[in-house]
Amino acid sequence: EAGVAQSPRYKIIEKRQSVAFWCNPISGHATLYWYQQILGQGPKLLIQFQNNGVVDDSQLPKDRFSAERLKGVDSTLKIQPAKLEDSAVYLCASSLNTGELFFGEGSRLTVL
Amino acid sequence: DAKTTQPPSMDCAEGRAANLPCNHSTISGNEYVYWYRQIHSQGPQYIIHGLKNNETNEMASLIITEDRKSSTLILPHATLRDTAVYYCIVRVAWGLGGGSQGNLIFGKGTKLSVKP
Repeated sequence: EAGVAQSPRYKIIEKRQSVAFWCNPISGHATLYWYQQILGQGPKLLIQFQNNGVVDDSQLPKDRFSAERLKGVDSTLKIQPAKLEDSAVYLCASSLNTGELFFGEGSRLTVL
Repeated sequence: DAKTTQPPSMDCAEGRAANLPCNHSTISGNEYVYWYRQIHSQGPQYIIHGLKNNETNEMASLIITEDRKSSTLILPHATLRDTAVYYCIVRVAWGLGGGSQGNLIFGKGTKLSVKP
């Protein structure tokens, strides 16, 4: 069974530039999560989707972060404009009806 | 915020049992204890979960105290590949937590270093 796919694995940008991350969840998984993991900390939820609807985006900095899951399958997370403090690993996870979460390998962002 | 407390780091000799403690004194009656681990440069990986009885699978054993305020994850024969950050998380059971209850709230975890 294919796991959660994320791309790109690594991205380096300068502050005020924009960046987008893509996630393809495990087939059939209705719930999709985006987490931000800053170095030395545990992952923190940014947004949770159930199919193509948002369940929880309370910790998403909406002035610069946006996410969508238009067809209820894959998802994109965008940051515009990026700040230095956005340097982190962005993890995507999916689950079957809020069951066990399966994580991708993450996308590491460095903002210079 | 995370509802669990774990030591920041632990060492273990290869081949010996690794016992990772976790305190969760405010756990609710319908919350389970979950353990995930994160190997360097990978996403977190599910290990095991339990409610009040001890649990065992091919990866580990989970011992939960009778009052459910603490638990211990046991890796019976640690290998170098078990070096990782281990997260203890309390959450409602899979499938029962609708909406945002499906989320996992991570603390900083315990960095386990298995040494030869």
